Amino acid sequence: ELKVEQNPLFLSMQEGKNYTIYCNYSTTSDRLYWYRQDPGKSLESLFVLLSNGAVKQEGRLMASLDTKARLSTLHITAAVHDLSATYFCAVWRGKIIFGKGTRLHILP
Amino acid sequence: EPEVTQTPSHQVTQMGQEVILRCVPISNHLYFYWYRQILGQKVEFLVSFYNNEISEKSEIFDDQFSVERPDGSNFTLKIRSTKLEDSAMYFCASSQQDSGANVLTFGAGSRLTVL
Repeated sequence: ELKVEQNPLFLSMQEGKNYTIYCNYSTTSDRLYWYRQDPGKSLESLFVLLSNGAVKQEGRLMASLDTKARLSTLHITAAVHDLSATYFCAVWRGKIIFGKGTRLHILP
Repeated sequence: EPEVTQTPSHQVTQMGQEVILRCVPISNHLYFYWYRQILGQKVEFLVSFYNNEISEKSEIFDDQFSVERPDGSNFTLKIRSTKLEDSAMYFCASSQQDSGANVLTFGAGSRLTVL
C-alpha cells in the first residue's frame, strides 16, 4: 500500500523566513504533485514533478523530486502572509494519493 | 479558465437518507474522480471513472456508494443511505489523460452534513 508522509504537519513561521516541507513516499511513482488548499476551499495544483532531479519554481515556492530517495521537498523563500494555507503532497499510482497535508501559518 | 463545477455546495440530510452530489467536469476531460475530506483531515480517494465505468475504487466506496455519468456532461456520486460518518467535503476532479503530467482539476467541493 502506498504511503505518503509529510512533515511537518504544522508550521508556524515569521514572514521573511525560509523553510522546507518534506514529502516521503513508500513505493515508486512516475508523478508527484503539490497542491495548495485554503481553508474551506478546493485544491489548487501547484506543481507536477515527473522525473528524478526535477525542480520547478513559481514565485516564492520551489519543488524538487528525488525519485531514488522517494523524497520531494517544497521550499518557501522569504515567506509572506499570503502563502498561509495547507500544502498537500500527492503521488500518482493509478490515482492521486495524498499526504496528510502541512498546515502553514505565516505570521505578519 | 475551465473549471469543474459541483452542486450543491452544502447539503444537510438526515441519517438514512439518499444523497446525490453532482459534478460537471471540464468538457474535454475523460477521467473523473471523487475524493472526500473529513473536516481537518486528509483527502481520501473514493473512485475513478473512465469510459463509462469504474476504473478503481477504494475501501471507503462500499455498496452504499455509486457513480454515474447519466449524460455527456454530469458525473454524479450517490450515497444510498447516509451515515453520520459520511459527513465530509466531497470533491470531484477531472483530467484529460492518465499519462504525462496529468493534472487533476478539482471542483470547489460539496459539503455534506449528516444529522
